[in-house]
Formats: sequence, C-alpha cells, structure tokens
Amino acid sequence: EIVMTQSPATLSVSPGERATLSCRASQSVGSNLAWYQHKPGQAPRLLIYGASTRATGIPARFSGSGSGTEFTLTISSLQSEDFVVYYCQQYNNWPPVTFGQGTRLEIK
Amino acid sequence: EVQLLESGGGLVEPGGSLRLSCAASGFTFSGSAMSWVRQAPGKGLEWVSAISDNGVYTYDADSVKGRFTISRENSKNTLYLQMNSLRAEDTAVYYCAKQLGLCSRGTCYFDYWGQGTLVTVSS
Repeated sequence: EIVMTQSPATLSVSPGERATLSCRASQSVGSNLAWYQHKPGQAPRLLIYGASTRATGIPARFSGSGSGTEFTLTISSLQSEDFVVYYCQQYNNWPPVTFGQGTRLEIK
Repeated sequence: EVQLLESGGGLVEPGGSLRLSCAASGFTFSGSAMSWVRQAPGKGLEWVSAISDNGVYTYDADSVKGRFTISRENSKNTLYLQMNSLRAEDTAVYYCAKQLGLCSRGTCYFDYWGQGTLVTVSS
C-alpha cells in the first residue's frame, strides 16, 4: 500500500497571499495524483487530477505540480472560502487508492 | 446536475449490521464505477470499497474485507454498502463517490461525492 504524507498538517496564511501545500508518496505514483477540497459538513470537491489538470469549474488560482513522489498544490491569492482542508490521493497503485491525512489551511 | 444522496446511517451496537444506500441522479449511473469512502472522527479520508459499472468487479480495503459488501442496482440508480460485524473503528461518515472511470484504466479518482451519512458503532 502506498502511503501519502501531506505537509504541513496546518498552514497559516493571510487572505490574498499564496499557499503551497505538499504531498509525498512512499513510492512513485507517476502523475496519478488528485487533490480535493473538503469543507466541513459538505461533499469533498475534486480540484486537480493527473497531478496538474484542473477539474471542471475550478478557478485558475488553484494549480498542481509534481510527479513521481513529490507533489504540490498552490493556491494563489487566497480567498475566504479557501480556508478549509485539502487532501491528496494517489490512484496509480490500487487497490487500495490512498489519501494523505490532510492539510488544514487557516487564516493567519 | 449530479447528485449523490446517502442514507441508512445511524447508531448500531458492536457486532451489528447496517446497510447504506446512495441514490444517484444527473448522470448515467449504469456507466459509472462507484466507491464508498469514509472519514472517522478527526481523521482523514479512507477508501472502503469500489464496484465496476456493471457490478461484476468489486474491491475492498483490507480493513473491511469479509465484513462489508458493495453492490449496485442499476435499474434503480442506487449503490449499496452492506456492513456486517461492525466494530467501533468503523465509526465514520460514509461518502458515496463517483469514479471518473475504472481503476484498471488509471482513472480511479472521484469527480463527485455525496454529503455523507454518519455511522456510529457503540454500545
């Protein structure tokens, strides 16, 4: 099973600034990585798949990069609604697909 | 508009059973692979089970293998999760999620999710 490790667990950033979230895989997953945004009490939302492709309707301030074992989600110019939890997920080796433990983005 | 609506959660004693349902609409359910994903209190997301579009192929996480069964009824646009021999560690919000495609085709990520149903296993 591939272990996904996200860092940091909590990230404090001011609105309008840039946030950089990291995700590391215990072995290569190629570009088979997705990012999700999860607001409390709501359905998770797909942001990025294929490591860098934005899902339908996702604003351009969200971008993904990386391949192999190191991945990054960047959110430029943070808006108030962006301060929630983000998860990465690998789907290269399955079953199981596996998620990171999440990064909580909080207002500084 | 794609909608996934879970139901069937609740409080159950250890060793008990529960069946979750997920009513799907707004897309071609019979052409879509589906999964259940859960989130225990204060924890991250954990994939539980997956099923192919025609229901022939199913996959389970080791943590639920032999206890949970995923199934679907395409005529009713409904996904199920039969949960038996429940344990305290199965306590979680259970989400129904639509897969972009088959895991075997490298598209095993989730483009739509429901809002979840809470399962609490406690005496």
